[in-house]
Amino acid sequence: EVQLVESGGGLVQPGGSLRLSCAVSGFTVSGKYMSWVRQAPGKGLEWVSAVYSTGSIYYADSVKGRFTISRDNSKNTLFLQMNSLRAEDTAVYYCAATRDYYYYGMVVWGQGTTVTVSS
Amino acid sequence: DIVMTQSPLSLPVTPGEPASISCRSSQSLLHSNGYNYLDWYLQKPGQSPQLLIYLASNRASGVPDRFSGSGSGTDFTLKINRVEAEDIGVYYCLQTLQTQTWTFGQGTRVEVK
Repeated sequence: EVQLVESGGGLVQPGGSLRLSCAVSGFTVSGKYMSWVRQAPGKGLEWVSAVYSTGSIYYADSVKGRFTISRDNSKNTLFLQMNSLRAEDTAVYYCAATRDYYYYGMVVWGQGTTVTVSS
Repeated sequence: DIVMTQSPLSLPVTPGEPASISCRSSQSLLHSNGYNYLDWYLQKPGQSPQLLIYLASNRASGVPDRFSGSGSGTDFTLKINRVEAEDIGVYYCLQTLQTQTWTFGQGTRVEVK
């Protein structure tokens, strides 16, 4: 079964760090487009970061320099290291992926993990 | 950055009737390979987003054929030819042409009249 399972969310103080994980089953993360998308409470979807099938990495301006996306092919897992967290980073974080090397839409999504940044 | 503008932001619908959502981009989404890098996603209440349409006009696997996507360049449309109760939720367009920054539209909330 194709599945993405996020974990690592929680309550953290401003300035703190969290590491989100997205465990993949049913296909390999290698050679796929994988992305993190977040949704603040009551708001719309916001793209956070992506790693392309080629390995190229991109970030939204709002997280550049603070967040780091990576994937571990041996663990078949996508990560998001989040440092210097701010209140405005509070959101549900979803990971999403393509099933192919070429881009045919983010066809698989996880259930999300909640990050709350508050003192 | 490319700005995505959806309209309307709220769409009351009657089951069995057609519905249409517009998504306009501030720059062309047409790649040199001939594809428009525009997707449509539906987020049903309490659920994760799901892919409906990719590359502007291609239905994702398992998506009912009442959903269709069209458009090119900067103007795109998602159409539902006969809305069903299970289609309720928030619809988002997403551009992935600009590699440095993907951008979602604001979302269109579809609800039963």
